[in-house]
Amino acid sequence: QQQVKQSPQSLIVQKGGISIINCAYENTAFDYFPWYQQFPGKGPALLIAIRPDVSEKKEGRFTISFNKSAKQFSLHIMDSQPGDSATYFCAASMYSGGGADGLTFGKGTHLIIQP
Amino acid sequence: GAVVSQHPSWVICKSGTSVKIECRSLDFQATTMFWYRQFPKQSLMLMATSNEGSKATYEQGVEKDKFLINHASLTLSTLTVTSAHPEDSSFYICSARDGGRKDTQYFGPGTRLTVL
Repeated sequence: QQQVKQSPQSLIVQKGGISIINCAYENTAFDYFPWYQQFPGKGPALLIAIRPDVSEKKEGRFTISFNKSAKQFSLHIMDSQPGDSATYFCAASMYSGGGADGLTFGKGTHLIIQP
Repeated sequence: GAVVSQHPSWVICKSGTSVKIECRSLDFQATTMFWYRQFPKQSLMLMATSNEGSKATYEQGVEKDKFLINHASLTLSTLTVTSAHPEDSSFYICSARDGGRKDTQYFGPGTRLTVL
């Protein structure tokens, strides 16, 4: 059972455009939703994260939109640049007393920004 | 920023041998660390949760006797792949949860294991 579904699998965007990646989750107990960027042969790097008490969070060119009723969240990358070309993963976890638990990842989106 | 290191970055071993991978949080204390496995061009799969001073919690389907985890200090967790076989070849990545910011997990650079 895939608990976090991510789309699209691959995405090509022109430089300066907006990149949009979507995720949907099934487990209503999830209450922490981060996005990670990964370059080949490297570990994932945290971009931005959100908890369900807000519907949107913005950090620089990255924005998360969160729809709790639809169990969906998305990443928007504004003014996309060639250096943004990477694989992006959405993830989700529950939040126990000690903090966020281990992450369940989506399958990833391979993003290419064309100059 | 928070930095997590892994050692070694890559290792090649013969079938039947054991390999130890270290995960260190360099500038923060991590009472909890996580181990993930990633196959080529695939997603990360959580293997286990490692808590300092206690036994690790393994995800369903992960053999605890094959993947030994030790979290002896607030900055170090180790994963030992015992009696490795070619099917254990993978990219192993750890993450550490910042004790001060309980939601954020910082990932290490990963360890590429190849079993011949």
